[in-house]
Amino acid sequence: KNEVEQSPQNLTAQEGEFITINCSYSVGISALHWLQQHPGGGIVSLFMLSSGKKKHGRLIATINIQEKHSSLHITASHPRDSAVYICAGHTDRGSTLGRLYFGRGTQLTVWP
Amino acid sequence: DAGVIQSPRHEVTEMGQEVTLRCKPISGHDYLFWYRQTMMRGLELLIYFNNNVPIDDSGMPEDRFSAKMPNASFSTLKIQPSEPRDSAVYFCASSYRTGSDEQYFGPGTRLTVT
Repeated sequence: KNEVEQSPQNLTAQEGEFITINCSYSVGISALHWLQQHPGGGIVSLFMLSSGKKKHGRLIATINIQEKHSSLHITASHPRDSAVYICAGHTDRGSTLGRLYFGRGTQLTVWP
Repeated sequence: DAGVIQSPRHEVTEMGQEVTLRCKPISGHDYLFWYRQTMMRGLELLIYFNNNVPIDDSGMPEDRFSAKMPNASFSTLKIQPSEPRDSAVYFCASSYRTGSDEQYFGPGTRLTVT
């Protein structure tokens, strides 16, 4: 059983397109992280959210607690957005406090 | 701050050898995490520490793996003896007050066991 499911696994877009990556999670996950991993391998945290919406530049992350679903949107996509995007959930109580459960990642390729 | 520091960045070793990976978390961070990333399984948590104390090591594959955090600024992940299936990228991450804060990842150590 995987606590965090992510889709699609691969995504190809043309520069300028609007992109959406989806993440669903199970009971017990109290907040979602969105991570970005570039071809060089480094991992950067983009967002952490437990409710509502967050925006940073062309990136928008939303979460629906009732539906246990989160989305990452990229507006006006650019080739430099090409990376693997990973959602990860964490619990906020009990013996697993702080532990992250990872989705398998979405490989995004944006063509010029 | 220099961020999370890991060493070595690349390690190539022969099966049966001992491997030690090192991590220096961001100063002031109370949580330290060790992750492994493979093509087959993606990112997996191996173990994490809070204030130098191991909290959850259920992700450690087997007795060949061990991790220590002797002080707030240093942690090691040791594999003895190493096997080809241990080949992966190992990431260390740290977070501030609680594990639910944003995690900052190190650059990773790419381990190849031949």
